[in-house]
Amino acid sequence: DQQVKQNSPSLSVQEGRISILNCDYTNSMFDYFLWYKKYPAEGPTFLISISSIKDKNEDGRFTVFLNKSAKHLSLHIVPSQPGDSAVYFCAASPYFGNEKLTFGTGTRLTIIP
Amino acid sequence: EPEVTQTPSHQVTQMGQEVILRCVPISNHLYFYWYRQILGQKVEFLVSFYNNEISEKSEIFDDQFSVERPDGSNFTLKIRSTKLEDSAMYFCASSPKGTSGGTGELFFGEGSRLTVL
Repeated sequence: DQQVKQNSPSLSVQEGRISILNCDYTNSMFDYFLWYKKYPAEGPTFLISISSIKDKNEDGRFTVFLNKSAKHLSLHIVPSQPGDSAVYFCAASPYFGNEKLTFGTGTRLTIIP
Repeated sequence: EPEVTQTPSHQVTQMGQEVILRCVPISNHLYFYWYRQILGQKVEFLVSFYNNEISEKSEIFDDQFSVERPDGSNFTLKIRSTKLEDSAMYFCASSPKGTSGGTGELFFGEGSRLTVL
């Protein structure tokens, strides 16, 4: 039952270039989406979120795009930095404030210096 | 910066034994959660806790699991009789529920790795 899918288990990007991480979801009840970053031996840390009433949210180097009709979201990191190397999880919930998050399986991003 | 802390970082136990995982959430947070991640799989919701009671739980959170906030600062997850398939990283999280205009984010601890032999 993969309601949130991250089809790329890994991604390598040159430092300074754009990293694009993708996420698809199947449950049309999802209304709020979040990206978390996880370093080894640490818990996930929040990066950025987006509500379904928006199609874009930007925070510094991080931008999340939501295509609700395609049930697809993506996280853009530009420019990519070595410290961005981590596992990135997409998560979804039925509404803002509902913290029962459904996570994807994660994408391991490696930034090549 | 305030953070969620979890103990132990790693626990090894025999199948059938009881295990208690402990968490100290961020002090002004009101909602508390347990998630787990089996190796190589996704992070899964177990339970949410508010006002000293369970507000929501997943199908994973069966009668073998219980949560408690015994003293106003700690938040514990107990597994009564562990099974091999309970081996996972268990993450505690908290959130400042009730703030408007927030991001809806959860603040996660570093996790407790449980190995059941």
